[in-house]
Amino acid sequence: LAKTTQPISMDSYEGQEVNITCSHNNIATNDYITWYQQFPSQGPRFIIQGYKTKVTNEVASLFIPADRKSSTLSLPRVSLSDTAVYYCLVGDRKGLMIKAAGNKLTFGGGTRVLVKP
Amino acid sequence: DVKVTQSSRYLVKRTGEKVFLECVQDMDHENMFWYRQDPGLGLRLIYFSYDVKMKEKGDIPEGYSVSREKKERFSLILESASTNQTSMYLCASSLVGAGDEQYFGPGTRLTVT
Repeated sequence: LAKTTQPISMDSYEGQEVNITCSHNNIATNDYITWYQQFPSQGPRFIIQGYKTKVTNEVASLFIPADRKSSTLSLPRVSLSDTAVYYCLVGDRKGLMIKAAGNKLTFGGGTRVLVKP
Repeated sequence: DVKVTQSSRYLVKRTGEKVFLECVQDMDHENMFWYRQDPGLGLRLIYFSYDVKMKEKGDIPEGYSVSREKKERFSLILESASTNQTSMYLCASSLVGAGDEQYFGPGTRLTVT
């Protein structure tokens, strides 16, 4: 599975838009891009998933350029409760790939987003 | 709603003890995962399972073993706990594959003294 690179941390203010970019240069044809949110003392929670172009749900938008080597999670009008760590994960949605030898799955360090009043 | 539960939120064990961490999911998911999370290192995959009795090593399997006798249950075993295994342990499950949406449990904070 493709490795990902994200900024370690970002600060923002309430009401602003936060954009977090994840690099995944080795993304494979069958890979999807998934973002998770984690609050302290909790397990990560799925936010959004996409394959190409733009995906939007009630929480966030995900922008994926044509070459798919990066993706940007956009959180509109953040509030204090959006303070969390955000992880980008790239992987095959189907079960076959995880059985392959040497196929590793890693979330990486994530991006710590601090929303200030 | 998918529910992934872990047997303990907090656990304190002594060096050399055998430790069992249990994880149960209630959505008939094929895949289950064990991660550990340490400050600055993010989530690292220890083991995963894509079917009953099937398991695959993740990034850091040393010092751990797993068991999946039933589809809904995935156990992580520390054969002889050591202080460097003090960590937050997270279990997850997914319906189809590793890139599919993973549902996480609340985590078990294990301290080995």
